[in-house]
Amino acid sequence: AQTVTQSQPEMSVQEAETVTLSCTYDTSENNYYLFWYKQPPSRQMILVIRQEAYKQQNATENRFSVNFQKAAKSFSLKISDSQLGDTAMYFCAFISGNQFYFGTGTSLTVIP
Amino acid sequence: DAGVIQSPRHEVTEMGQEVTLRCKPISGHNSLFWYRQTMMRGLELLIYFNNNVPIDDSGMPEDRFSAKMPNASFSTLKIQPSEPRDSAVYFCASSSRNYGYTFGSGTRLTVV
Repeated sequence: AQTVTQSQPEMSVQEAETVTLSCTYDTSENNYYLFWYKQPPSRQMILVIRQEAYKQQNATENRFSVNFQKAAKSFSLKISDSQLGDTAMYFCAFISGNQFYFGTGTSLTVIP
Repeated sequence: DAGVIQSPRHEVTEMGQEVTLRCKPISGHNSLFWYRQTMMRGLELLIYFNNNVPIDDSGMPEDRFSAKMPNASFSTLKIQPSEPRDSAVYFCASSSRNYGYTFGSGTRLTVV
């Protein structure tokens, strides 16, 4: 069975600082995709970043980057230069075939 | 592209009434998913379709819930009869093969 674990229910960070959200997953698949989604108070689910398991290079999108450790089955999200607009729930997700598995989310608060 | 379009945005209904939620996926996406989000359970996959065919409806909580996808551009999720415990945000999402989901804005359902 595939599972996605986010062990940090809540986190906070000072504006302009860097924060890392953790995610681990369990799978027997070799080819899969990992994602981070952001859900701000508007409740819209927004794709933040995507990583293909067959790529060793960590994905980067502006201030967002991941640390993908395939052997450890770890997929953490680093947010640099945190902004107030980054305050949101962040969900780690894993895709296998046509089905997604979501973590339970980390609530991130950026403190002015 | 207008993205995944859900309607209505908000729905308030009385217990026992029929509720129909609608979704228009992104053109060209061959998979469609219905999720329910609550504080208690987080994101739950209810059902997903591939090429308009229901593939897995094991997440549908009860026979009161039904979903259809009559064509590639439209899907409905129906609850009949509705109950207060069905109150949640219902998301529709579509995807095109491993790229990741694109979510709709969700329908906030309140059953009183």
